[in-house]
Amino acid sequence: DVKVTQSSRYLVKRTGEKVFLECVQDMDHENMFWYRQDPGLGLRLIYFSYDVKMKEKGDIPEGYSVSREKKERFSLILESASTNQTSMYLCASSRDSYTIYFGEGSWLTVV
Amino acid sequence: KNEVEQSPQNLTAQEGEFITINCSYSVGISALHWLQQHPGGGIVSLFMLSSGKKKHGRLIATINIQEKHSSLHITASHPRDSAVYICAVDRMEYGNKLVFGAGTILRVKS
Repeated sequence: DVKVTQSSRYLVKRTGEKVFLECVQDMDHENMFWYRQDPGLGLRLIYFSYDVKMKEKGDIPEGYSVSREKKERFSLILESASTNQTSMYLCASSRDSYTIYFGEGSWLTVV
Repeated sequence: KNEVEQSPQNLTAQEGEFITINCSYSVGISALHWLQQHPGGGIVSLFMLSSGKKKHGRLIATINIQEKHSSLHITASHPRDSAVYICAVDRMEYGNKLVFGAGTILRVKS
């Protein structure tokens, strides 16, 4: 079975802290994605990557950065966490035109 | 107007009922996905469609490309089907980036 693993399920961070959310997939997928999900807004794309060291901005990249040093790992970085970044973050991976696989989600609370 | 619209937003059904969730989209697509999200967050892909109809167990998904419309049907619904069902489209010009509907919250009562 394809597995997309997010390192942290629940996090509480203070305003201004640097936050790392890690995602690892085990199926050699080229494409990896970070989304956030908020009530009433659905899933919104933050960043995505089609290859190692390649990244592209999604719809809401402000306040976030990403890193993809290895094909299996895609990290989301909040340089200086703010309360409006409290959300559920979902990582996903896929091969072009094939099924997309999601992680279990990371619930981040910024206080 | 959102590119992907789902209806209804909320749906409550009695166990055993036949359920239909609808998805309409306004852009050209290469594929449409139906996803299921249970409380706790994880999302599972149910179907990926580019034409016609697919069936898996009690779930059936159909798509009409000309009308830009897809439906997800659940036959003989069960309380364990209670979840959020999300429609997402793969827009032709953006490769594998998905655009998501807002989701349909389904509750099946026993």
